[in-house]
Amino acid sequence: NAGVTQTPKFRVLKTGQSMTLLCAQDMNHEYMYWYRQDPGMGLRLIHYSVGEGTTAKGEVPDGYNVSRLKKQNFLLGLESAAPSQTSVYFCASSYQGWGENTEAFFGQGTRLTVV
Amino acid sequence: QQQVKQSPQSLIVQKGGISIINCAYENTAFDYFPWYQQFPGKGPALLIAIRPDVSEKKEGRFTISFNKSAKQFSLHIMDSQPGDSATYFCAASMTGETSGSRLTFGEGTQLTVNP
Repeated sequence: NAGVTQTPKFRVLKTGQSMTLLCAQDMNHEYMYWYRQDPGMGLRLIHYSVGEGTTAKGEVPDGYNVSRLKKQNFLLGLESAAPSQTSVYFCASSYQGWGENTEAFFGQGTRLTVV
Repeated sequence: QQQVKQSPQSLIVQKGGISIINCAYENTAFDYFPWYQQFPGKGPALLIAIRPDVSEKKEGRFTISFNKSAKQFSLHIMDSQPGDSATYFCAASMTGETSGSRLTFGEGTQLTVNP
C-alpha cells in the first residue's frame, strides 16, 4: 500500500515549456486534490476532483489544467510554464468529502523550478 | 486574502516545554479544523483534527483548543521533544459530498525544539 505517489519528484523547466505531473493513489479514494506550497503562504488549492471524470477549480487555478480519467489518477498540466509557477506541488486524496473519513493523505511532493 | 491566519511564523522551545500555535479563521461555514505536521522533504501528514461542536480534543501530547465565538483555534504540544521539530499548518474546510474536503491552510509555523 503505497498511499499517494507523485511523479516526478523534481523537475526544471524552461519558460514556455509544458509538462504533466502525475498523482496516483491506491486507497480507492473518491476525492483528489492538487495544492501548491510557497514560502510564507501555506498550501493553496489549485484544482480538485470529487470523482472519476470530474474536475473543479480551486483557489489558484490559472495556468493549470487537470484530468481524472481513472479513479486512481489525477494529472496536473502546465501548458506554458512561467517562473511564477516555481513551487512545490502536492497531491492529496480523501475517502470522503464529509463525515468521519475526511482526512486528506498527501504525496511526497514535486519540486518544480521554472527558469 | 488569507482566510486562515496562523501565528507565530516561527517558534523555538526547550525540550519538555509547551509549544502553542494559534490560528484564526473568517468563514463561519468551516466545519472541520485539522492540524498538519510536515517534515523537510515530506508531504504534510494529519496530526489531529476537531469539529466545531467540541471545544477541546486531546491525543497524547497534542491538544486542540477551539473557540467558536472568537473564530480561533490553537494547537498545544505538551512536553515538546526534538522530534517534534517540524512545520505545522492549521487548516479549515467546508466538508461536503460535492465539495470534498478542500482545505484552506494557514501560513505555517516552523517549530524548533532544542535539546
